[in-house]
Amino acid sequence: GDSVTQMEGPVTLSEEAFLTINCTYTATGYPSLFWYVQYPGEGLQLLLKATKADDKGSNKGFEATYRKETTSFHLEKGSVQVSDSAVYFCALSDQTGTASKLTFGTGTRLQVTL
Amino acid sequence: DGGITQSPKYLFRKEGQNVTLSCEQNLNHDAMYWYRQDPGQGLRLIYYSQIVNDFQKGDIAEGYSVSREKKESFPLTVTSAQKNPTAFYLCASTRLAGGPGNEQFFGPGTRLTVL
Repeated sequence: GDSVTQMEGPVTLSEEAFLTINCTYTATGYPSLFWYVQYPGEGLQLLLKATKADDKGSNKGFEATYRKETTSFHLEKGSVQVSDSAVYFCALSDQTGTASKLTFGTGTRLQVTL
Repeated sequence: DGGITQSPKYLFRKEGQNVTLSCEQNLNHDAMYWYRQDPGQGLRLIYYSQIVNDFQKGDIAEGYSVSREKKESFPLTVTSAQKNPTAFYLCASTRLAGGPGNEQFFGPGTRLTVL
């Protein structure tokens, strides 16, 4: 079945540092890929997405490129802020069904300090 | 504003009691989902529904039940058969038209604690 593997957290960075959170996936077919963010005590919000190979999703300074050859969708940001502290989830969407089902990674907690 | 509401935010129940979690959306979305979130395990799909009066089991449906009598509502019942019900429960919805590239929108979640 489909699966998503994320790097273990927590990731602790100083403000303005460069961020990479690794995400690799296993899927049949051609899934869509997502990054969601969860702030403490809240639901998930979509951060960015890519629906086909070589697409780059971007939002709020975050970027991720859909790499089919390496089955990866790594999240990057050039300069993190304290307000970016949250849990980040990589997910893929089942391409074969009519109701898109998401498969999530285990999440990576990011802590940004001053 | 359009969105998904879940109530209550916190819920406490005694072991052996059934409890129902509410999820309502005014986004006119076709599909609705229930996920369970446990520390360090990400989100796992409990049930989902594509249309009214129809729903399918997800990966961890045992001990849960759902109904979809209205397009905007998808309540989840955690039954006494669920062995470890304490968790954070998230409801989500999405349009079906346009395929799997559509994002799922999430509610704020309900934290259930069974004493």
